[in-house]
Amino acid sequence: GAGVSQSPSNKVTEKGKDVELRCDPISGHTALYWYRQRLGQGLEFLIYFQGNSAPDKSGLPSDRFSAERTGESVSTLTIQRTQQEDSAVYLCASSPGPGVGGDTQYFGPGTRLTVL
Amino acid sequence: GDSVTQMEGPVTLSEEAFLTINCTYTATGYPSLFWYVQYPGEGLQLLLKATKADDKGSNKGFEATYRKETTSFHLEKGSVQVSDSAVYFCALSVSSGSARQLTFGSGTQLTVLP
Repeated sequence: GAGVSQSPSNKVTEKGKDVELRCDPISGHTALYWYRQRLGQGLEFLIYFQGNSAPDKSGLPSDRFSAERTGESVSTLTIQRTQQEDSAVYLCASSPGPGVGGDTQYFGPGTRLTVL
Repeated sequence: GDSVTQMEGPVTLSEEAFLTINCTYTATGYPSLFWYVQYPGEGLQLLLKATKADDKGSNKGFEATYRKETTSFHLEKGSVQVSDSAVYFCALSVSSGSARQLTFGSGTQLTVLP
């Protein structure tokens, strides 16, 4: 079946502009995560959605970052007033949610964001 | 807080060599442990996992055993192939309230030469 998809695959923007990144999770997966991967580094957790519960925003680095999710489907990560340090690959993952095997996360291909 | 420490790379091996990539962790509670792999130009893929102490995860000839006493989850393969060239990430997942986000190591770049 279809995996996690993300768009755009690449985004180049100017400092100070806002950007929106999109994630389509695997159908039926109730949990959705956003991570950031800076060059040569591991992944940093940003935000987590589980069903209709309030999202866990504990990983968001500043109030310029926000994310929304429509029900148990599409999610959008928004970065306002982008800075050069926001340049990274933004990865989305989904998982089945609570239950056996529910903690295995499936990743999308990522969006490479470059802030000039 | 929770953390994962991985063997630093890059690692370069000849085909059919034995591979070990060390991974140790610090966590509150009882984490699940994972190895993810990122092939060139591709997204992150789950390679194997273990959910409790002494469990062994295995896939594609790779193995890792959850060692609670040494807080380790080292990745091993007896005979690597050129196609194993990739970046390998060790990760853990501990429930934090309702969240089970992954905490990743910094990744180990593996290059296998023919």
